[in-house]
Amino acid sequence: GQNIDQPTEMTATEGAIVQINCTYQTSGFNGLFWYQQHAGEAPTFLSYNVLDGLEEKGRFSSFLSRSKGYSYLLLKELQMKDSASYLCAAKPGRGAAGNKLTFGGGTRVLVKP
Amino acid sequence: DTAVSQTPKYLVTQMGNDKSIKCEQNLGHDTMYWYKQDSKKFLKIMFSYNNKELIINETVPNRFSPKSPDKAHLNLHINSLELGDSAVYFCASSRGQGGFTEAFFGQGTRLTVV
Repeated sequence: GQNIDQPTEMTATEGAIVQINCTYQTSGFNGLFWYQQHAGEAPTFLSYNVLDGLEEKGRFSSFLSRSKGYSYLLLKELQMKDSASYLCAAKPGRGAAGNKLTFGGGTRVLVKP
Repeated sequence: DTAVSQTPKYLVTQMGNDKSIKCEQNLGHDTMYWYKQDSKKFLKIMFSYNNKELIINETVPNRFSPKSPDKAHLNLHINSLELGDSAVYFCASSRGQGGFTEAFFGQGTRLTVV
């Protein structure tokens, strides 16, 4: 089966750092996505990790440990516009099955002044 | 130019009606999807088409029927709508099937069945 767990909600202060954890249990694994979704809008791609380690992209970084079934998204120098839901999604494999992303329920991040 | 566009954005309809949601992508992608996002915000895949061929068909009631007239379009028709169908439906597209295939999502269609 497929199971993705992430916290429901987190609150942080503008300028601070927040780390959103995601644990996954999937039958087959070929990478992990993070998407950002503002209220009432479409999810937009943030990052993709397939190998262990940290991928840095400006203020956002994503980490993956395949052996632990664990990923995190790190948001640095938080801005008010970062208030959104952050969705973790596991990619099960290659080919047609690889398109069947399993999403977590999202972590709603609220940035306060 | 909108990459993935779906219409309508909002749809309010009565139980038992039949409705369609349209989706078009101008990214030149060959794979398109329909996802359903329920009130708890879980995004679940419903269907995936690659070059107009159905490749993923999740456990979805057969009242839901996708149609892909060409690889730039994937429409969703829903018969005999039920209250439980109320959700936000997202269309998405991606390039290819293997390896890194970032999905681009449309703005969503908020369906409310009353």
